[in-house]
Amino acid sequence: NAGVMQNPRHLVRRRGQEARLRCSPMKGHSHVYWYRQLPEEGLKFMVYLQKENIIDESGMPKERFSAEFPKEGPSILRIQQVVRGDSAAYFCASSPLGQGRDEQYFGPGTRLTVT
Amino acid sequence: AQKVTQAQTEISVVEKEDVTLDCVYETRDTTYYLFWYKQPPSGELVFLIRRNSFDEQNEISGRYSWNFQKSTSSFNFTITASQVVDSAVYFCALRSGGNTGKLIFGQGTTLQVKP
Repeated sequence: NAGVMQNPRHLVRRRGQEARLRCSPMKGHSHVYWYRQLPEEGLKFMVYLQKENIIDESGMPKERFSAEFPKEGPSILRIQQVVRGDSAAYFCASSPLGQGRDEQYFGPGTRLTVT
Repeated sequence: AQKVTQAQTEISVVEKEDVTLDCVYETRDTTYYLFWYKQPPSGELVFLIRRNSFDEQNEISGRYSWNFQKSTSSFNFTITASQVVDSAVYFCALRSGGNTGKLIFGQGTTLQVKP
């Protein structure tokens, strides 16, 4: 059973470009979570999605960031007009049940570098 | 407010020593979940354990053991006979029993095990 897959593993963008981060949950998991790990900081929750629904986006920056989890295909975290402060590791996690009832399994992360 | 505090930023031990990583949490919820994750130098996050608030039984898994005490709001993690491969950043996390899947992480403790 493959784990959570994220791609790309490393992404370099110039300021002002768009970054698209992809996450394929574990087989059988329909709940996806995105977290960000900034340098010298811990992991911070960004958004929680189910298929075609955003359940909790309380950790998402108000501008430039969006997330989706379509009926078919991976979850996408999109960052428009990236700035240097967006440089971080972005982790995706998935769980089978959601709503706080089970553990989240994390992907390997995408390291975003904004130059 | 919900919060997780890992007061130990860095710990260095010599192989075969026992080491305890501290975790103190704050929550007003009566139902909540506590987790430990390991982040080795390769960067991925590895799930170690989940504990429910209504189950204070301590747990042992090989060289790992966890001590959950609601009276002191602590969920400490002990590694017995540490090994070099245990070197990693360890995160303690909290999730409330509500509908959100949000994990609140501590700042992490960097454990270095020297040969």
